[in-house]
Amino acid sequence: GESVGLHLPTLSVQEGDNSIINCAYSNSASDYFIWYKQESGKGPQFIIDIRSNMDKRQGQRVTVLLNKTVKHLSLQIAATQPGDSAVYFCAENGSQGGSEKLVFGKGTKLTVNP
Amino acid sequence: NAGVMQNPRHLVRRRGQEARLRCSPMKGHSHVYWYRQLPEEGLKFMVYLQKENIIDESGMPKERFSAEFPKEGPSILRIQQVVRGDSAAYFCASSPGQGSNYYTFGSGTRLTVV
Repeated sequence: GESVGLHLPTLSVQEGDNSIINCAYSNSASDYFIWYKQESGKGPQFIIDIRSNMDKRQGQRVTVLLNKTVKHLSLQIAATQPGDSAVYFCAENGSQGGSEKLVFGKGTKLTVNP
Repeated sequence: NAGVMQNPRHLVRRRGQEARLRCSPMKGHSHVYWYRQLPEEGLKFMVYLQKENIIDESGMPKERFSAEFPKEGPSILRIQQVVRGDSAAYFCASSPGQGSNYYTFGSGTRLTVV
C-alpha cells in the first residue's frame, strides 16, 4: 500500500495568505523527501527537498518542515499567489534494495482565490 | 539543454492494440523511471532502468507491460493488447544516478484506450 499520504485532498486560500500542505509517511527509514507541484496537463515540477538529518529547509517563498517523531512533512507557501494553484505532492525516496524510486502521496489540490 | 522529452503527448488506442511510449532523458542522465498516474491520484512507480538494464520493475504489471532502455535511443514503455484500464498519464523521469536524488520529469504521455 501507499507509504506516503496526505491529510487533505483540497485546500482553498485567499491570495496573499500563507498556505500549509501536510503529508504523512509511514516508512521510518525514509531519508529523503521532495515536494512537487503539478499543474494541469504537465509533469511534476520540483519545489523543494529535505533530508532526514534536517527538520527545516527554506526556499523562495516555500518552507518544508520535517517531524520524524510523528513522520510528518509539511509545505508552507508564503504570500500565496494565483500561479501557485496546482496539485502538490510529497514524495519519499523509497531507497530500498538499491532502487532509487520515489513513492508519491495522492496530492493536495491548492486553489488560490483572487 | 532540453529537459526530459516524452512522445507522443497524447495517444489514442483501441482495445487490443499496442501502445509504445518514448522517453529521452536529460543530457547526461543515465537513469530512467516510469510512473503511471490515474486521474485525481498520485504517481505510481512502474519501473527503473539504466542503459540496457532493468534495475527495479516491482511496479510493472506482470503481463502486457514491458520497458527497455537501449544503449542508443530513448527508453520505451510498451503496453500490449491495451485495455480501458490502461488509460492514464504515463510520466518518465531521469536522473544522473550515482546516488543523486535529482529527478526531472517529462510532460507525460496521456494514453486513452477506446
